[in-house]
Formats: sequence, C-alpha cells, structure tokens
Amino acid sequence: AQTVTQSQPEMSVQEAETVTLSCTYDTSESNYYLFWYKQPPSRQMILVIRQEAYKQQNATENRFSVNFQKAAKSFSLKISDSQLGDTAMYFCASVNAGNNRKLIWGLGTSLGVNP
Amino acid sequence: DTEVTQTPKHLVMGMTNKKSLKCEQHMGHRAMYWYKQKAKKPPELMFVYSYEKLSINESVPSRFSPECPNSSLLNLHLHALQPEDSALYLCASSRSDSGPTQYFGPGTRLTVL
Repeated sequence: AQTVTQSQPEMSVQEAETVTLSCTYDTSESNYYLFWYKQPPSRQMILVIRQEAYKQQNATENRFSVNFQKAAKSFSLKISDSQLGDTAMYFCASVNAGNNRKLIWGLGTSLGVNP
Repeated sequence: DTEVTQTPKHLVMGMTNKKSLKCEQHMGHRAMYWYKQKAKKPPELMFVYSYEKLSINESVPSRFSPECPNSSLLNLHLHALQPEDSALYLCASSRSDSGPTQYFGPGTRLTVL
C-alpha cells in the first residue's frame, strides 16, 4: 500500500531563516508524482511545489525547493527566507501516474514563523 | 489561471435540512473531486468525477449525493446530516490528460446542528 509519512507534527522558524520539512513515502510504482501543499489558517489548500518521479532535477518555486531522493524515498521541502505568511499546515502527498487519481496524504507539519 | 470557486463559504444547517454545496472551475479540467477535512487532519477523498461520470465513491453515506451537471460544475447535495458531518468540504479539479495535479477551492465550512 502507498504511504506518506511526515515525522514532524510541529516546527517553528524565525523570520528570514531557512527551514526544512521532512517527508518519506512508500510506493511500488515506478511512475508517480509528489506534492507539497500549504494550508494557512484561512484553510485554502494551495499547491506549493510538484515533482515528477522520473525527473532527477529537484523542483524549485521561488523560495521553495525540494530535495528528492528517489532511492531513499524521501521528499523534503526547504523554505528559504521564511516569511510570516508561510505560517501554515504543510501536507506532503503522492499519487501514482495513470488513471489513479487518489492522493495519498501525510498527516501534515504545522509550521509557525516567528517575527 | 488555477481558480476553483466554491459557494457558500459557510453553511449552518439542521439535521432535517436539505442543502447543496457548489463548486465551479473554468480551466477546462475534466476531473473534479469532493473532499471532507476535519481540523488539523489531511483531506479525505469522498468522490471523483472523470469526464462528468462518477469514477470513485469512497463508501460515502447516502446522505451525501454528488452531481456533475457539466464539465465545469460539481454539486454536493446534503440531506439528513449528522453533527459529526461538520467539517470543511473542499472541491478540487485536475486535467485528465497530463499529470494528476489537483487544484483546490477555498472550501465550504459546514456546521450541522
């Protein structure tokens, strides 16, 4: 069965500093996608970054980047220059390619950015 | 444009009421989803529509009834709900032909009295 594990229920970081959120996953498929979603207190679920398993290059989106280690089944999210608006619940998720549209979610990491 | 809209934002209903949640997207996506989310938990998939046909029903109680009138609209009809059904209901959509990235709406916060 496909699983996603986020081992850090809560984290905090000072404004302008860098923080890394951990995610490990397990799948028997060779082709899959990995995502980080952000859910601020407003509760809107926002896509932060996406990684295709067949791409070796780590995805980046402005201050957000991932460290994708396929052999280790690890997919961590690095947030650089943290801002107060980054305060949110962060969910890691995976889905197999093809017709399976069921996202498998981690339990989330609650990140607080302190001024 | 990756916008999914949902109405209403908030809904309070009694256990005998009938109400509906509405979701709309104009991105040409052909897959649409309903999720239920409790506080501090990840979303739980309820239904998936692909090309306007129900493709996944995650054993959801019949008091929740989905409807997809066209490729842009998704409804969730509610009847005889229980207080434990109080939650955030999220709608999402994705393209059906290139990558399963799901884009979410802002959600409807439902309270059942």
